[in-house]
Amino acid sequence: DVKVTQSSRYLVKRTGEKVFLECVQDMDHENMFWYRQDPGLGLRLIYFSYDVKMKEKGDIPEGYSVSREKKERFSLILESASTNQTSMYLCASSYQGKDYGYTFGSGTRLTVV
Amino acid sequence: GEDVEQSLFLSVREGDSSVINCTYTDSSSTYLYWYKQEPGAGLQLLTYIFSNMDMKQDQRLTVLLNKKDKHLSLRIADTQTGDSAIYFCAGFSGGYNKLIFGAGTRLAVHP
Repeated sequence: DVKVTQSSRYLVKRTGEKVFLECVQDMDHENMFWYRQDPGLGLRLIYFSYDVKMKEKGDIPEGYSVSREKKERFSLILESASTNQTSMYLCASSYQGKDYGYTFGSGTRLTVV
Repeated sequence: GEDVEQSLFLSVREGDSSVINCTYTDSSSTYLYWYKQEPGAGLQLLTYIFSNMDMKQDQRLTVLLNKKDKHLSLRIADTQTGDSAIYFCAGFSGGYNKLIFGAGTRLAVHP
């Protein structure tokens, strides 16, 4: 069964901490994506990557960075967590050049206190 | 770029049909998708329709596509409590296969 795995389902972090959210896929997908989901706002794209070491800003990149050192792994980094980054974070992956849709992870609910 | 709009909430009685509507602006997407998100979980691909089709049926699900009006709908027949979830429509826009999602419609099924 193909999978996108996010390392944590729930995280609680303190304001100012550096936070790492990890995502691993086993489908050899070229594209990987990080979204945040907030009530009434739907899914908002933070960053995406279409190849190893490549990254592109999405709609709301401020306060975030990403790392993709290996094809299967895409990390989201909150450099200095703030309370307004409390949210559900969703990772997804897809093939490049094919309209097959995305496969999503189960999500990480992050609370910053 | 693509803009996808959905109503935010739908309430139906168990056993009735549910119809969730979506409008989009970019007609270049080869496929249009419906995703389902159950409470506390990620999104699962529910069904999709090829852009040159008008209708697709998959068991209790019927997808209708009106390309002229850029309108997509998802009909769920005999709606069950297990269908309670948030439903997102999505289409591709621009390069890098970026999917653009609607805000999601929360379907509440009551007895």
